[in-house]
Amino acid sequence: KAGVTQTPRYLIKTRGQQVTLSCSPISGHRSVSWYQQTPGQGLQFLFEYFSETQRNKGNFPGRFSGRQFSNSRSEMNVSTLELGDSALYLCASSLATSGNGADTQYFGPGTRLTVL
Amino acid sequence: SQKIEQNSEALNIQEGKTATLTCNYTNYSPAYLQWYRQDPGRGPVFLLLIRENEKEKRKERLKVTFDTTLKQSLFHITASQPADSATYLCAPFVGSSNTGKLIFGQGTTLQVKP
Repeated sequence: KAGVTQTPRYLIKTRGQQVTLSCSPISGHRSVSWYQQTPGQGLQFLFEYFSETQRNKGNFPGRFSGRQFSNSRSEMNVSTLELGDSALYLCASSLATSGNGADTQYFGPGTRLTVL
Repeated sequence: SQKIEQNSEALNIQEGKTATLTCNYTNYSPAYLQWYRQDPGRGPVFLLLIRENEKEKRKERLKVTFDTTLKQSLFHITASQPADSATYLCAPFVGSSNTGKLIFGQGTTLQVKP
């Protein structure tokens, strides 16, 4: 089975621009979560989608949004980019059969976003 | 507020020794706690999950303990090898089923010297 894929792998943008990141989960996985990872803050939860609905959300401003399609693929959008948005954005999928903390997260390689 | 603390300093040990990594949490009672390994430039990889009613879990050279009274999990790697060098993240599950989420610690970087 193919793993979680994320595109693009690297991205350079300037302040004020917007960006869309894409995530394809493992086949059969219905839950997709997004995380932001920075050296200072570590791995922080952005949001989770399950069956095209946002099921949970972290403490990020409204500039960060996402969606999930019927095939479970997910996109994350960041509008009006700021320098502090430079980070590694990770997507993770899970079967979500139990819907609780027993679900293993399978992470993609991440998208490295640099904001200049 | 909810807080997770892992060894802030990098852990350097000699090959063959046992590495012990600590994860302390405050202000909540997770029903599950997961451990992940992350190599530079890559996404985290799941290692072990332990439930609140389990004191200990083992998988090959790995062992995790979960003390809900102390609010602490310990992660052990026995007979460590240079290939075990990586950052290890603990992640308690916070919230109720279907609406909860994993909260990741900052991670502990382990360096195993040959």
